[in-house]
Amino acid sequence: DAKTTQPPSMDCAEGRAANLPCNHSTISGNEYVYWYRQIHSQGPQYIIHGLKNNETNEMASLIITEDRKSSTLILPHATLRDTAVYYCIVSGGSNYKLTFGKGTLLTVNP
Amino acid sequence: EAQVTQNPRYLITVTGKKLTVTCSQNMNHEYMSWYRQDPGLGLRQIYYSMNVEVTDKGDVPEGYKVSRKEKRNFPLILESPSPNQTSLYFCASSDYRGNTIYFGEGSWLTVV
Repeated sequence: DAKTTQPPSMDCAEGRAANLPCNHSTISGNEYVYWYRQIHSQGPQYIIHGLKNNETNEMASLIITEDRKSSTLILPHATLRDTAVYYCIVSGGSNYKLTFGKGTLLTVNP
Repeated sequence: EAQVTQNPRYLITVTGKKLTVTCSQNMNHEYMSWYRQDPGLGLRQIYYSMNVEVTDKGDVPEGYKVSRKEKRNFPLILESPSPNQTSLYFCASSDYRGNTIYFGEGSWLTVV
């Protein structure tokens, strides 16, 4: 699996958009970008994934650059409950294994 | 409701006393796996299973066994637990496409 780089921590004001960056410069053509989050030692929760087009669901938007070397997860209106560690993962492996890095600790402040 | 259920959620045990952590999913998923999470090391895969009677080692399989006799269940067996297996364990499942992986709530295991 390709390696990803994320900032270790970020802060965001409640109600504002949270933009979490991820670099994955060695991503290969058949690998997807996945985002998961983990709230305080609970099981990781799937957020969104994409291949090359931008994606949006009820939780977030995913913007992938045209060269696919980086992406941004956008939480449009962050709430206190969005405080969590966010993991950016690239994977296309046949064993469905996700390699989790250290992620970004997003703290949403009142 | 889609669920991955692990039991027990919390356990303190002694070195060498065999234990089993059960995992069950209600989504008819083909793929299941076990992860452990340790401070500073993140989530690491222990074992995975692509379907019934098909299992394979992940990154840290030493000291663990698994079985997949039924599609819905994937127990994690510690035949002779040691203190270095003290950790937070997660079971996960997904369908054959693997696009969305569902995780259980975790099992805190302490071996003394």
